[in-house]
Amino acid sequence: DAKTTQPNSMESNEEEPVHLPCNHSTISGTDYIHWYRQLPSQGPEYVIHGLTSNVNNRMASLAIAEDRKSSTLILHRATLRDAAVYYCILRDSGTASKLTFGTGTRLQVTL
Amino acid sequence: NAGVTQTPKFQVLKTGQSMTLQCAQDMNHEYMSWYRQDPGMGLRLIHYSVGAGITDQGEVPNGYNVSRSTTEDFPLRLLSAAPSQTSVYFCASSYEDDTEAFFGQGTRLTVV
Repeated sequence: DAKTTQPNSMESNEEEPVHLPCNHSTISGTDYIHWYRQLPSQGPEYVIHGLTSNVNNRMASLAIAEDRKSSTLILHRATLRDAAVYYCILRDSGTASKLTFGTGTRLQVTL
Repeated sequence: NAGVTQTPKFQVLKTGQSMTLQCAQDMNHEYMSWYRQDPGMGLRLIHYSVGAGITDQGEVPNGYNVSRSTTEDFPLRLLSAAPSQTSVYFCASSYEDDTEAFFGQGTRLTVV
């Protein structure tokens, strides 16, 4: 499976935008880029996913580099409730519920 | 809509005991899977299923069995619990293989 590299931790002030980077230099053409987050003592929660084009939903935006070797999850206005571990995951089409989690980025949000 | 329901939420076992972790989903999802999460680590895939009657091994299947007799249920069996199986276990389901996965709240298992 192609691997991803994320910073171990990041900090943000509340109400500020947050850009969470992910490197995936060995991504294949059929790999989707998925982001999940895990709040304390909870199961992971889907955030967003994309293949080539940038994507937006009610939770976040996903910016994908033109060569697809990196991507950035953008939280437009961080709140205290966004404090969580964020996982960037490559998921090949046809791999069912086979998500390969790394250690993710722990996001701290402060007042 | 309950989503993915895991029971029990907490369990303490003695070494050598067996037990079944239950997972049920009410979204008619074909794909289900089990993960374990050790402290400070990401989730690791134990077993998964692409539909009733079909299961396959993930990254860390040893010591665990699964079966999928219905679309709704995907139980995980620990045959002879070991302290190394102390972990938090998560069940997930998804409608298709490239759609979002829904996770349960987890079962925290301690083996003493």
